[in-house]
Amino acid sequence: QKEVEQNSGPLSVPEGAIASLNCTYSDRGSQSFFWYRQYSGKSPELIMSIYSNGDKEDGRFTAQLNKASQYVSLLIRDSQPSDSATYLCARSSGGYNKLIFGAGTRLAVHP
Amino acid sequence: EPEVTQTPSHQVTQMGQEVILRCVPISNHLYFYWYRQILGQKVEFLVSFYNNEISEKSEIFDDQFSVERPDGSNFTLKIRSTKLEDSAMYFCASSDVQGPDTQYFGPGTRLTVL
Repeated sequence: QKEVEQNSGPLSVPEGAIASLNCTYSDRGSQSFFWYRQYSGKSPELIMSIYSNGDKEDGRFTAQLNKASQYVSLLIRDSQPSDSATYLCARSSGGYNKLIFGAGTRLAVHP
Repeated sequence: EPEVTQTPSHQVTQMGQEVILRCVPISNHLYFYWYRQILGQKVEFLVSFYNNEISEKSEIFDDQFSVERPDGSNFTLKIRSTKLEDSAMYFCASSDVQGPDTQYFGPGTRLTVL
């Protein structure tokens, strides 16, 4: 199984700081990458998708993709306590193919 | 905003019993998926479904599992003879033609097998 690797955390950041979440993947055939947020006991909620090398910004979130290094990251600016959750990195081979998830990084934003 | 819905939210069953988990995907979506998440573990792909047939299934999705789209709105996952290790959260997801790899997840069904 071609894996998606994430540091399990917890990553603890103070309110207002930038949280940086990282993900590596091993399948060079991966085309599409996603960040999902999962609160405890809830379902994954899509935050960002990224397909091309570089940065993609959406509000307080920036996804970064480097296919040569097989590395995806998510930056959360001005972190809020409500951002405290597990962040799941996922990849797919594109189209309607399955998502392969990492185990997630738990983020804790403290006031 | 349209969303995927799932019923029931929690299902308790005895080992060996059959269960059917139900999902209503987003109305204009054409691709459907089931995933599961055992407590404390990764979200795992089970099966994808398009044009009334299975597109792909994982090694988890053995003969005990089946999926069906019985009408124009529902998408079901059946487990014929549940095992203790089937206890997990089961998530339905759907995506549309415009962005088929952007999958939206339902709230999940927590299955507890006793």
